[in-house]
Formats: sequence, structure tokens, C-alpha cells
Amino acid sequence: EDQVTQSPEALRLQEGESSSLNCSYTVSGLRGLFWYRQDPGKGPEFLFTLYSAGEEKEKERLKATLTKKESFLHITAPKPEDSATYLCAVQGNNDMRFGAGTRLTVKP
Amino acid sequence: DTEVTQTPKHLVMGMTNKKSLKCEQHMGHRAMYWYKQKAKKPPELMFVYSYEKLSINESVPSRFSPECPNSSLLNLHLHALQPEDSALYLCASSQVRGEANEKLFFGSGTQLSVL
Repeated sequence: EDQVTQSPEALRLQEGESSSLNCSYTVSGLRGLFWYRQDPGKGPEFLFTLYSAGEEKEKERLKATLTKKESFLHITAPKPEDSATYLCAVQGNNDMRFGAGTRLTVKP
Repeated sequence: DTEVTQTPKHLVMGMTNKKSLKCEQHMGHRAMYWYKQKAKKPPELMFVYSYEKLSINESVPSRFSPECPNSSLLNLHLHALQPEDSALYLCASSQVRGEANEKLFFGSGTQLSVL
């Protein structure tokens, strides 16, 4: 069965303090690894898709990387508006499976 | 238009009520999904429609009944719910189910409370 584990569960950063979120996965035939951002009471918002080990994607202060077993979401010099839950999801031979997310809080 | 619209945003219902959740997208997507999400938990897949046909029903109780009237609309009919069914119900769509880039577009959800 496909599995996705995200760590840490929660992360508190000061504004400008860079860090990384981890997503470990096991999947039958990876067809894509996805990162989403979710604000409280809202639906997830798509950030990135990664398809193969070694691939990297960037968007503003966010950079996602992928290996054969895990993905990292690096946040450089975060701002308070980056506070949200970040969800990782994998798509293999079955439907998309989500991790429980990392709740990020960035203090000014 | 890259939006998935869900109504209502909030819903409070009693255990004997019948209500419906509605979802609409105009991106030409042919796959539509219902997810259930409890607080601090990942979204859990409930139903998938592909080309207006139900292709996945993840062992969801019969008190939840999905309907896909056309390629743009998705409904979820609710009847005799239990308090443990209280959750955020998310609708999503993707271009085609089963493709490599099955990027999901989510609506803002309906926050359901069952009293």
C-alpha cells in the first residue's frame, strides 16, 4: 500500500529563518509527487509536481526536490504569509495519497 | 477560469436532515472527486467520477450519495448523517483521471457540522 509520511508535524520559524520540510514515501510505480499548500478552512492549492529523482522545482521562496525515497520542500527566508499547512501527495498505480501535512507558522 | 466552486461554504444539519453539497468547474476537466478531511488530517478520497461515471467508491457509507449530472457539476447528497461525519468536504477536479500529471484543483470546501 502506498504510504506518505511528513515531518515535522509542526514547525515554528522566525521570519527570515530558512528550513526544510520532509516527505518520505513508498509507492508502487511513482507517477508523480505533489506539494500543496492549505490555509485553514480552505482547499489545498497546488504548488509543484516532481516526476523523477533529481528533479527540482522553484517558486518564489519555495524549492522542492525529489529522491527515490523522499522529497524536501525548502523554504528560504520565509515571511508570515508563508504560514500554512504544506501537504505532500504521491500518485502511483492507485489514486493520489496524501500525507498528514506540516503546519508551518512564521513569526514576524 | 481555474476555479472549482463549492456551495455552501458552511452547513449545519441535524441527523434526520437531507442536504446536498454542490461543486462546479468550467475548466473542461473530465475527472471530479469528493474528499473528506478531518481537522489536522490528510484529505481522504471518497468518490471519483471519470467522464461522468462513478469509477471509485472508497467504501463510503450509503448515507453519502454522489451524483454527476454533467461534466461540470458534481453533487454530494447527504441523509441521516452522524456527528462523526462532521468534517471539511472538498471537491476537486483534474483533466483526466489516470494521467501522469493528475494535478488536482480543489474547491474551498464545505465545512459540515452534524448535530
